[in-house]
Amino acid sequence: DQQVKQNSPSLSVQEGRISILNCDYTNSMFDYFLWYKKYPAEGPTFLISISSIKDKNEDGRFTVFLNKSAKHLSLHIVPSQPGDSAVYFCAASPLGGGSNYKLTFGKGTLLTVNP
Amino acid sequence: DAGVTQSPTHLIKTRGQQVTLRCSPKSGHDTVSWYQQALGQGPQFIFQYYEEEERQRGNFPDRFSGHQFPNYSSELNVNALLLGDSALYLCASTPRTSGVYTGELFFGEGSRLTVL
Repeated sequence: DQQVKQNSPSLSVQEGRISILNCDYTNSMFDYFLWYKKYPAEGPTFLISISSIKDKNEDGRFTVFLNKSAKHLSLHIVPSQPGDSAVYFCAASPLGGGSNYKLTFGKGTLLTVNP
Repeated sequence: DAGVTQSPTHLIKTRGQQVTLRCSPKSGHDTVSWYQQALGQGPQFIFQYYEEEERQRGNFPDRFSGHQFPNYSSELNVNALLLGDSALYLCASTPRTSGVYTGELFFGEGSRLTVL
């Protein structure tokens, strides 16, 4: 049973345009939602996170939106740059109860930004 | 400042063998988690160690075991290897107490295990 789903295996956008990556989840116990970026032959690196009590978090070119009623979150990258080309993982975590940092990941979306 | 380091980077084993993977956490971190990433999948939580004890465990059989040493480094052991254990094994570290929780894990580059 996949609790975190990324239904788009890949996404291709032009440099300078917006990239929108989507993620759905099923577990109502998740309190934190995160996005990680992974380049080949490297470990995942943290990008941005959002608490379940918020609906938006912004960090430079990256914005994450959370719609709790729809159990949906999205990552917006504006403007997209060729260096953003990587696999993006959506992840979720309960908070407290000894479950901190126990992340559940989606399968990832390969973003390609074309010059 | 060294990040999370893992060894070996690649290894090949045959079915039934045992393997040990090693991880040194980022400086200042005392909590280590292990994840398995199979081909085409996202990382899957195996277990987490701090204060030299297993604190959380994912849905993995007892063939998967671990250890944390007093210097916070950690080992992942897998016994009786199966073909399905072929994957990238990722180690991640976090500080036990770090102010505002962000969920951020610091990952190493991983150990790629191939079971033949």
